[in-house]
Amino acid sequence: AQSVSQHNHHVILSEAASLELGCNYSYGGTVNLFWYVQYPGQHLQLLLKYFSGDPLVKGIKGFEAEFIKSKFSFNLRKPSVQWSDTAEYFCAVPRGSQGNLIFGKGTKLSVKP
Amino acid sequence: EAGVAQSPRYKIIEKRQSVAFWCNPISGHATLYWYQQILGQGPKLLIQFQNNGVVDDSQLPKDRFSAERLKGVDSTLKIQPAKLEDSAVYLCASSSGLAGHEQYFGPGTRLTVT
Repeated sequence: AQSVSQHNHHVILSEAASLELGCNYSYGGTVNLFWYVQYPGQHLQLLLKYFSGDPLVKGIKGFEAEFIKSKFSFNLRKPSVQWSDTAEYFCAVPRGSQGNLIFGKGTKLSVKP
Repeated sequence: EAGVAQSPRYKIIEKRQSVAFWCNPISGHATLYWYQQILGQGPKLLIQFQNNGVVDDSQLPKDRFSAERLKGVDSTLKIQPAKLEDSAVYLCASSSGLAGHEQYFGPGTRLTVT
């Protein structure tokens, strides 16, 4: 069965620090991978997605993620975080061919100004 | 364009009572999802519609939960009777297609069952 695991529950960083949030998946079909973000008081929204091609995917607000097939990983990175990146981040994979998603438990990121 | 609308935003009920949530997806989006998000966890799919037909309801507790999307536009999710463990945020999302299409989420309804 498909599954997603996120390694970090809560990450605290200072502004300008580099960020890497871990995501590992177990999925038997065509690999589509997603990162969603929920800023405080806002809706869950798509940050970036991988379907095929270049394993390094760039998303909004300077985020990127690298799909490493051999490690079943899709880690999220940002070279220099800002206070406005404070949010909860979710990794997700499709449950099947219908498009609905399995989400990880989420990682809460707190950035200190 | 208007986003996904949900109401109410908050609801407090006692166990064994019934409750209903409403969702209006983005105009033109054929696919509608209901997710349940319990505190400290990621969203979990309850039911997925394509137009007015059910695509996936394998994780819906059908003894107490029901959902409909009669005209292929807005949708209602109902819980009857509610249990304490149903306390969660209920998220509605919509997309223009199935696999691979971005899902747009509403603000959610926070349900507290006492």
